[in-house]
Amino acid sequence: ELKVEQNPLFLSMQEGKNYTIYCNYSTTSDRLYWYRQDPGKSLESLFVLLSNGAVKQEGRLMASLDTKARLSTLHITAAVHDLSATYFCAVDMEDSNYQLIWGAGTKLIIKP
Amino acid sequence: NAGVMQNPRHLVRRRGQEARLRCSPMKGHSHVYWYRQLPEEGLKFMVYLQKENIIDESGMPKERFSAEFPKEGPSILRIQQVVRGDSAAYFCASSPLIYRQATNTEAFFGQGTRLTVV
Repeated sequence: ELKVEQNPLFLSMQEGKNYTIYCNYSTTSDRLYWYRQDPGKSLESLFVLLSNGAVKQEGRLMASLDTKARLSTLHITAAVHDLSATYFCAVDMEDSNYQLIWGAGTKLIIKP
Repeated sequence: NAGVMQNPRHLVRRRGQEARLRCSPMKGHSHVYWYRQLPEEGLKFMVYLQKENIIDESGMPKERFSAEFPKEGPSILRIQQVVRGDSAAYFCASSPLIYRQATNTEAFFGQGTRLTVV
């Protein structure tokens, strides 16, 4: 059974600090997604990582994928309050064209 | 181009009633996916539909749950005789293609319907 585990599940940090969210998955997959969800809102796509070694950056967020280690990271640089949200990673099921398996989410609170 | 529209945003039903959740995909999108999110958990796939066809309903409970995506109108997720355990957020997503048909295909999500069964 494919499992996707995120850690930490909850993170409270001060503005200006750096931190990393980890996403481990249990079987082979070559496509990983990061989404952001604000309370009561929809899920917003942040990154689609398509291959081993892929690295993408948008503002203070940087995501990377290591398919050999089955690990993706979402790194936050010099956090600001606006980045407070829940972050989800999701992985393609290898034998499916459309099913994603989701992590439980990391709730990030950034204090001013 | 409006995003994926779901309604209602919040729905309260008594045990035994029926719940109908609606999803209008983005314009030009013919693939619709329904997910359920329990508190403090990630999304769980329920069903994948294309216009007038259910492609995969392997994530949907065999009883009481059904989904449709008619030629005209929104996709409907229907839950009959709701029970407390059905309380969750239900998200709909749409895409123009199946995820893997294009390298950057992604799904766009609606704001969800939060169902509370009392």
